[in-house]
Amino acid sequence: SSVLTQPPSASVAPGKTARITCGGNNIVISSVHWYQQKPGQAPVLVICYDNDRPSGIPERFSGSNSENTATLTISRVEAGDEADYYCQVWDSSSDHWVFGGGTKLTVL
Amino acid sequence: EVQLLESGGGLVQPGGSLRLSCAASGFTFASYAMSWVRQAPGKGLEWVSTIDDSGGSTYYADFVKGRFTISRDNSKNTLYLQMNSLRAEDTAVFYCAKQSTTVTTAFDIWGQGTMVIVSS
Repeated sequence: SSVLTQPPSASVAPGKTARITCGGNNIVISSVHWYQQKPGQAPVLVICYDNDRPSGIPERFSGSNSENTATLTISRVEAGDEADYYCQVWDSSSDHWVFGGGTKLTVL
Repeated sequence: EVQLLESGGGLVQPGGSLRLSCAASGFTFASYAMSWVRQAPGKGLEWVSTIDDSGGSTYYADFVKGRFTISRDNSKNTLYLQMNSLRAEDTAVFYCAKQSTTVTTAFDIWGQGTMVIVSS
């Protein structure tokens, strides 16, 4: 079954660009979804199907997926973007959903 | 407004059972796949189970191993998770989530979660 690897933490200064990676075997053939979770809150879908933004998600959030690595990019980072971010794929070989371990984004 | 409201969590002894419920409103519940995801204290998200729109197809994480059963009552707009033979390691916040359409689509709406504590 799939295993998704994320860096445990990342940090970025306000106004700069944050990039959070999600690595996995054959991830390029899957659609990757990304969730944001702030402390004490439920997760929120921020990117679906590699690079689609649900309604209400700022254009500053974007995604890409190539060569076994998916990337969530947050441009012009704001203090309110500080959160845990999780990638997710559907593993069709096992009919299981898989989450990455999560990346804690700190805004300096 | 699309809303999911979980209930049924609480303190249970090891080996005990609980049934979680997730009441849906603001959308046509019977048209969407639904899932349960859990999060142990201080840990990441962990998928538990998924059910298709009709309830005819269900999927489970390996750690469930026949202990949990997902079901839905489309006439009551409610999703369920029956949990038996609970273990200390099942202690977590359990979230229900609506999927965009089918079982392989993103989780676009989440409830606020219900806490399950397994302890003697």
